[in-house]
Amino acid sequence: DTAVSQTPKYLVTQMGNDKSIKCEQNLGHDTMYWYKQDSKKFLKIMFSYNNKELIINETVPNRFSPKSPDKAHLNLHINSLELGDSAVYFCASSQDSSGSGTQYFGPGTRLLVL
Amino acid sequence: AQSVTQPDIHITVSEGASLELRCNYSYGATPYLFWYVQSPGQGLQLLLKYFSGDTLVQGIKGFEAEFKRSQSSFNLRKPSVHWSDAAEYFCAVGDYQTGANNLFFGTGTRLTVIP
Repeated sequence: DTAVSQTPKYLVTQMGNDKSIKCEQNLGHDTMYWYKQDSKKFLKIMFSYNNKELIINETVPNRFSPKSPDKAHLNLHINSLELGDSAVYFCASSQDSSGSGTQYFGPGTRLLVL
Repeated sequence: AQSVTQPDIHITVSEGASLELRCNYSYGATPYLFWYVQSPGQGLQLLLKYFSGDTLVQGIKGFEAEFKRSQSSFNLRKPSVHWSDAAEYFCAVGDYQTGANNLFFGTGTRLTVIP
């Protein structure tokens, strides 16, 4: 069974559209994250959620909004997509937010904005 | 502020040769340090991590890393590289002080293995 899954795997869309990326973890973890990997492979934290509460929101545009319907899911909604949003988005989860927990990553969603 | 530097963007080694990937970090307290590997088109897989205790950490796939506080380094090593080790390697520091377990990554080192 896949521990952390993301859908879709690929997403091609036009500028200005609104899209969502779904993430689910079946590990029973309390904390989930979204990371963005740019074209130079640089990974940066976007959001983290602990028990449905946003712990930290890095300096990302408010067009990006995480939604957590339950502990096992953390979806990423993106409004008014821009060319610069093209990247690979990774979801991850960890047991808790203590810092010592391993983060398990999903396979990534490759977003291309045309 | 926390940061991670991986000085080598790309390294090429021959199969069977030894490997060392460099990582330097900046963090205001005792760091939590990680090495992840990303195969082409794949997600990230944890190789090993350091929190405390023995400064030489063993990981999966025959990798090890040594934490050196005096040098602010956490270099990854493998005595004999296999062709399947070709991938992107990321060093990261865990920022636990803000109450969130966020990982701050270096820019990665791409490893090419030649026969």
